[in-house]
Amino acid sequence: AQKITQTQPGMFVQEKEAVTLDCTYDTSDQSYGLFWYKQPSSGEMIFLIYQGSYDEQNATEGRYSLNFQKARKSANLVISASQLGDSAMYFCAMREPNAGNMLTFGGGTRLMVKP
Amino acid sequence: DAGVIQSPRHEVTEMGQEVTLRCKPISGHNSLFWYRQTMMRGLELLIYFNNNVPIDDSGMPEDRFSAKMPNASFSTLKIQPSEPRDSAVYFCASSRQRNGYTFGSGTRLTVV
Repeated sequence: AQKITQTQPGMFVQEKEAVTLDCTYDTSDQSYGLFWYKQPSSGEMIFLIYQGSYDEQNATEGRYSLNFQKARKSANLVISASQLGDSAMYFCAMREPNAGNMLTFGGGTRLMVKP
Repeated sequence: DAGVIQSPRHEVTEMGQEVTLRCKPISGHNSLFWYRQTMMRGLELLIYFNNNVPIDDSGMPEDRFSAKMPNASFSTLKIQPSEPRDSAVYFCASSRQRNGYTFGSGTRLTVV
């Protein structure tokens, strides 16, 4: 079974609009961590935001916020005020201590920002 | 902080040749991960080390792949013999605490 599911292979958003990228996960651990990475066309993996399973508040980093709904096992990334430079692949990932703290990645969502 | 350093950035080799990819993790990071990224399979964990010791190599596709971490500042991923289906981007990442994983720029491998 998929540990991390990103159901949107590709998305368009108008510049300056907000966009939500979906991510659901599957784990039986009580303690885990959720990550979002951005991969622009240049190929590097850029860390965006982190949410711990015990964090009571949704994580925020500048224009990025994570809509964490623990009961639904979802960790959606919200990008506010989209910019052309936000066009990239976005990956959701999970760390499970019982799996040795490695990161398991979803299949990614390609976001395209329209001017 | 120079980040995670991978070399080479690009590698083109002929089928059957040996390929060695190199990684220098961030100083002080005690976990190191090797990932492979392809269009078909996405990002796959190949192997990871804690304190230079291999912990889980179940992602290594077959015996042609091997990885070493002789010390805290250096790791290699070797493919011998290489095959066209090994063509991918190989990422190295390091981590000190559970919350932080830093990726290198990757090595784009093409086996012809």
